Amino acid sequence: DADVTQTPRNRITKTGKRIMLECSQTKGHDRMYWYRQDPGLGLRLIYYSFDVKDINKGEISDGYSVSRQAQAKFSLSLESAIPNQTALYFCATSDRISLALDTQYFGPGTRLTVL
Amino acid sequence: GQQVMQIPQYQHVQEGEDFTTYCNSSTTLSNIQWYKQRPGGHPVFLIQLVKSGEVKKQKRLTFQFGEAKKNSSLHITATQTTDVGTYFCAGRMNSGYSTLTFGKGTMLLVSP
Repeated sequence: DADVTQTPRNRITKTGKRIMLECSQTKGHDRMYWYRQDPGLGLRLIYYSFDVKDINKGEISDGYSVSRQAQAKFSLSLESAIPNQTALYFCATSDRISLALDTQYFGPGTRLTVL
Repeated sequence: GQQVMQIPQYQHVQEGEDFTTYCNSSTTLSNIQWYKQRPGGHPVFLIQLVKSGEVKKQKRLTFQFGEAKKNSSLHITATQTTDVGTYFCAGRMNSGYSTLTFGKGTMLLVSP
């Protein structure tokens, strides 16, 4: 969805390096999420934030940290990247107002390779 | 922990054949959503089911939510090459602030 952008789109880095993936949205949504996708494993939730002052761990938060700089921005950091963090990372947003239909809008993804 | 199992993992059909993917939860769901991810793309929302026994249709796609709200299915009638992609179900365990738990997805390949 063009309203959710991720930078960079592709990144190759080395083991031990610190990496930040950024997500911005113009949808005005309160909720933001970071997912990781690996072949055959589907989408797994890393962290999520329901508003600027709210940060929650997801299913696989170890080795990751996040920052919600503003309603529209949610960054994911890998403090010391390792090869098994090689994956496709998606940011997503959803709208708190319509709880009955909490549709997730995904960004285009960041393909991260850790050598 | 909460689990959403999805089968099959992969299916290859000839254009015109039908396709079904199934989703099962270890716990009762508040609602379930379905997403489609085209090759090289990102997941895109298709539909949400909320009520026990609910059936919804979108053209050739039929979505069902089980009576016990623990399983769901997506059926595509007469597949087309444009149906190629990975289909994910995503269950919500409780209403309100709980997050979605995604199944591992079913990759559909359609040969002309």
